[in-house]
This record gives sequence, C-alpha cells and structure tokens, in this order.
Amino acid sequence: EPEVTQTPSHQVTQMGQEVILRCVPISNHLYFYWYRQILGQKVEFLVSFYNNEISEKSEIFDDQFSVERPDGSNFTLKIRSTKLEDSAMYFCASSEWNEQFFGPGTRLTVL
Amino acid sequence: GESVGLHLPTLSVQEGDNSIINCAYSNSASDYFIWYKQESGKGPQFIIDIRSNMDKRQGQRVTVLLNKTVKHLSLQIAATQPGDSAVYFCAESGNAGGTSYGKLTFGQGTILTVHP
Repeated sequence: EPEVTQTPSHQVTQMGQEVILRCVPISNHLYFYWYRQILGQKVEFLVSFYNNEISEKSEIFDDQFSVERPDGSNFTLKIRSTKLEDSAMYFCASSEWNEQFFGPGTRLTVL
Repeated sequence: GESVGLHLPTLSVQEGDNSIINCAYSNSASDYFIWYKQESGKGPQFIIDIRSNMDKRQGQRVTVLLNKTVKHLSLQIAATQPGDSAVYFCAESGNAGGTSYGKLTFGQGTILTVHP
C-alpha cells in the first residue's frame, strides 16, 4: 500500500540553525500539506500546496518557513532560523482528493 | 474563531465493549469531518469521514454520527479491541464541498484505552 514517507525521523538542531524536513508524498497525489504537533497538543495546520504554489497557510507559517517541491517526488519544509518553540513533530500529508494521508512525522528538537 | 474540541480527554473501556468518542465544533460553515487515529510515535491514520449532507456513515466496526443542529460529531467503535487503544482526533475542513486542498482543523484528542 502506498504511503507518505518522511526523513529524518528525528532532527536535533541548535537554535538559529536552518533545518530542512523532507517528505515523499504518495505518487499520484496532487495536494500536499505540512502540519505540526507540539508534544501533548493537537495537530496544527501549517501550509497546503498545490500546483507548485501555496494554497493556504496559517499564522504559524511566518517568513521563517518555506516549502518547496524541488522535483517530482519530494516536498520539503524549511525553517530558516529555528527557535526553541519550533520543537514539535512535523507531519507531511498528501491527498488525491478528500482523504489526507499522513506520514510518520519528523521529531524536531531545537536546543 | 473556529475551533474543534472534544468533550472527554480520556476513555477507558473493556475489550468487547462499544466505545463512543465525542467532538464539538464551532464553525457552522464546516462541511467535511474526519476521524483520525494516532498511535504512539505515528502520524494520524484516517478512520472515517462524513460530509455535512449526511448524518450517519458506517465503516468496518466504526460509525460516525453528525448532528449539525448542535454541531456535534461522534465516533462509535463496536466491539473495541486492545489494538484500538490510541488517541482519536476529530478534524474538520471548512472548504465548500470538502475540497482536498482545505486545511484540516483538529480537535484536542481523546485517549482511548482498551483493557483486555
């Protein structure tokens, strides 16, 4: 069964450093998303992406964040200068239509 | 602002019992609702969805009920099994027609624990 994959599974970084989280969506999906989940809290929407551009973004997705689909298979989330409060699980999701399929997540720890 | 929330943060049941997990939403424009299951260390896993033009939808061992009058959503799990133990989230999409590029707004989550 096709699935969304994410790398790395765990990323540790120093405050102020740039990180890139990678996702490989399901191959025939056209819509892509990033969500985050701070430990013990609910999943929060960050951004949606379709046709090589951002469809919608939340207040969390400020100028420090960017997304890119550099090739036909990868979808990346970049945080330019990480802050302590960026520590969270980051989930990538993709959909062909209604059902969004989530990846296993990347745990980002900012020290 | 819009929000999706859960009445009960934890639910403990015996194996074989039926479980009911509830969710309230505040955005009356919401037209697509989904239940996700999240096991420890994993991403949310789709369970079942329902559109606002329906009030009930059944899957395998699961039923989702939607009451738009009181803006309430519930997930019923029949014959609950230990493997059902997880955190359950309701989510809503407010895009007209439930289009796939709509963001999902998640509720707080209910921890379901099934005792053998």
